[in-house]
Amino acid sequence: GAVVSQHPSRVICKSGTSVKIECRSLDFQATTMFWYRQFPKQSLMLMATSNEGSKATYEQGVEKDKFLINHASLTLSTLTVTSAHPEDSSFYICSARGQGQETQYFGPGTRLLVL
Amino acid sequence: SQQGEEDPQALSIQEGENATMNCSYKTSINNLQWYRQNSGRGLVHLILIRSNEREKHSGRLRVTLDTSKKSSSLLITASRAADTASYFCAPNQAGTALIFGKGTTLSVSS
Repeated sequence: GAVVSQHPSRVICKSGTSVKIECRSLDFQATTMFWYRQFPKQSLMLMATSNEGSKATYEQGVEKDKFLINHASLTLSTLTVTSAHPEDSSFYICSARGQGQETQYFGPGTRLLVL
Repeated sequence: SQQGEEDPQALSIQEGENATMNCSYKTSINNLQWYRQNSGRGLVHLILIRSNEREKHSGRLRVTLDTSKKSSSLLITASRAADTASYFCAPNQAGTALIFGKGTTLSVSS
């Protein structure tokens, strides 16, 4: 099956710093990638959708200047949390879908803790 | 995009029993997908059923879809402790992102 990886799996940072999370599709070309956030005991919340080579489309309430998304290649998307605050602490999960595919494949997630 | 509503929110069963969870949605779909999430992990795709299909099997999984009632069910037969996880349905229209509800938390005890 299709494999999506994320790096790092866990990161701790100080308040005010920026953190970059990478999402890679390992065995298929991901024309569309998605970023979700999940708080403890809650469901996944879609943050943004990005198509390769285009600007990301952000969901309502998600600050595009705070959560920078880059999808420069068909196998890599990055999410940068800028000026992180403790309330940004969460589980960030990426997902990828290939051209014409119906299924979204998910990465293993990145747990971010902002101190 | 639309989210599905899973029911029940929590389900506790013994190993060997069957587990059934349901999903309802509101508007027409192209397909409906079921995912599993183990604690602290990403989502694993279980099965996709298209709008013109009524039933689909994959190993111990059986999924049904009733588009007239806008509902789906996931049956896990002969459950195992390793099936303990949260299960999410995702009703999907072509080209849109999957949106998730609260899921069903399944606990299988040995």
